Formats: sequence, C-alpha cells, structure tokens
Amino acid sequence: ELKVEQNPLFLSMQEGKNYTIYCNYSTTSDRLYWYRQDPGKSLESLFVLLSNGAVKQEGRLMASLDTKARLSTLHITAAVHDLSATYFCAVEYYTNAGKSTFGDGTTLTVKP
Amino acid sequence: GAVVSQHPSWVICKSGTSVKIECRSLDFQATTMFWYRQFPKQSLMLMATSNEGSKATYEQGVEKDKFLINHASLTLSTLTVTSAHPEDSSFYICSARDGQGYEKLFFGSGTQLSVL
Repeated sequence: ELKVEQNPLFLSMQEGKNYTIYCNYSTTSDRLYWYRQDPGKSLESLFVLLSNGAVKQEGRLMASLDTKARLSTLHITAAVHDLSATYFCAVEYYTNAGKSTFGDGTTLTVKP
Repeated sequence: GAVVSQHPSWVICKSGTSVKIECRSLDFQATTMFWYRQFPKQSLMLMATSNEGSKATYEQGVEKDKFLINHASLTLSTLTVTSAHPEDSSFYICSARDGQGYEKLFFGSGTQLSVL
C-alpha cells in the first residue's frame, strides 16, 4: 500500500525564519506535487517534480526531490504571514491510472 | 493556464434529497477527471476517477449508488450525491489534467455540502 507521510503536521514559525517541510513516500513514484490550500478554498498547484535531483523555486518556496531516498522537501525562506496555509504533497504513478495519493498536510502559521 | 470550474461553491440541502455538483474544464479537454472529498482539517481522499464516455472507477469503500458520476463530454463531469445524509456533509473537489500539458492537475474551487 502506498503511503505518503508529511512532517511536521503543524508548524508555527515567526516571520523571517526558515523552515523545511518533509514528504516521505513508500514506493517509487513517477511524479511528486506540492500544493497549497487556504482555509475554505481548493488547492493551488505549487510545484511538480519529475526526476531525481529536481529543484524548483518560486518566491520564498523551494521544492526538491530525492527519488533514491523517496523524499521531497519544501523549504521556506524568510517566512512572511502570507505563507500561512496548509501545504500538501502528493505522489503519482503512471501505473495507477494517474491517481494521486496525498500526504496529511502541514498547516503552517507564520506569526509576526 | 488551464481552468477548472466547479459549481455550486456551497449547497445546503435536507436529508434525503439529491445534490448534483458540476466540474467543467473551461479551456481544455479532459478525458479524465478526479473527484475527492475532504473532511475538516484532513487530507483529500480520492473517491473516483471519471472517464469520458465510460463508467467511473470508484475507490474501495466508496458507494457507487450513492455517489453517481457522469462524464458525458470532454469538458464536463458531474457528481450526484443521492439521498444525502448528514454524514455526507463534506468539501468535494474535482480535478482534471490538461491533455496537452499533462504534468499538472488543475483543481476546481470545491463545493461545501451541508446536509441538514
């Protein structure tokens, strides 16, 4: 059974600080996604990572993928309040009809 | 970028009634759409995969007769919650993949269903 585990599940941090969210998955994947969800809203696609060593950055967020370790990270640099949200990673397999399996999400609160 | 439109955004209904939720891909054709449900402060749970022109594929534990999915065209999939009960209250989200740029999934805005 495919498992996707995120940690931490809850993260409270101060503005200006750096932190990393981790996403571990149990079997070889074809692609890995990171999403953002604001309260009461749907998902916003942040990154899609396709290959080992892939790194993508947008603004204060940077995502990386290590397929050998089955690990992806989402690094937050100099956090600001606007980054407060829940972040999900999701793993997908071609052999699984394109279905994604989601992690439990990390709720990030950035305090002034 | 590709847009997925989902309606309604929220619906309140009485127990025993049926509710239909629409998911449309506005500027691309989607042969496959996915339906999820999400309980408060939880992750997304895949309910079913909707395939244009064929029967939907349901995940284990999802009642086919309760959650009817129809994907009649390349731009529209519908989810009907039949004989809704309070335990069906949830946030329902659809997603679709642009066949041209298949890397990303695009999500609808979600439907908050409350069954009284």
